[in-house]
Amino acid sequence: DIQMTQSPSSLSASVGDRVTITCRASQGIANYITWFQQKPGEAPKSLIYAASILYSGVPSRFSGSGSGTDFTLTISSLQPEDIATYYCQQYRTYPFTFGPGTKVDIK
Amino acid sequence: EVQLVESGGGLFQPGGSLRLSCAASGFTFSDHYMDWVRQTPGKGLEWVARIRNKANGYTTEYAASVKGRFTISREESKSSLYLQMNSLKTEDTAVYYCTRSPVNIGPSDFWGQGTLVSVSS
Repeated sequence: DIQMTQSPSSLSASVGDRVTITCRASQGIANYITWFQQKPGEAPKSLIYAASILYSGVPSRFSGSGSGTDFTLTISSLQPEDIATYYCQQYRTYPFTFGPGTKVDIK
Repeated sequence: EVQLVESGGGLFQPGGSLRLSCAASGFTFSDHYMDWVRQTPGKGLEWVARIRNKANGYTTEYAASVKGRFTISREESKSSLYLQMNSLKTEDTAVYYCTRSPVNIGPSDFWGQGTLVSVSS
């Protein structure tokens, strides 16, 4: 199975800060990565697919990049409503696998 | 409005069986693959199973941890997804999410609210 790792596991940042989360795959997955946001007590919400394409309705302050094994999710200007845990998932090969998550809160 | 509503969760004994259901609405069910994903505090998110649409032969994929015990199925006339869970183990305890995946994109783009399955004696 492809292992997905994320760093950091948690971070605290101020409103307006630029936040970057990294996801690494144990083997090359081209651009077959998606990012989810999960707020406490809620279901995950899909943000990005194919490494960099935003789903409809996702704020433009979110962006994704990367290819192969290294990927990033960036929030250009952190907002209070962005407090959540963020997960990456590869869908290049079955079984699809998730990263362990990065918890983001406000400093 | 897109909706995925899971049901069928509860408390079950090891070795037992249950069937989860997911009622879909607000989109063209037949244009989507459907997946089950589960989440536990300890193991995080785990993809469980996928079923493709009619155009792709209703073929299925399973995680190794559930293969041979769980069966994913769908009923187009009811826009419903199912997960038959047999030979339950305590490690199957999790919140189970139903998700949809547009055929032309690949990954899940919408998740239901989830249903909690607890397996304990």
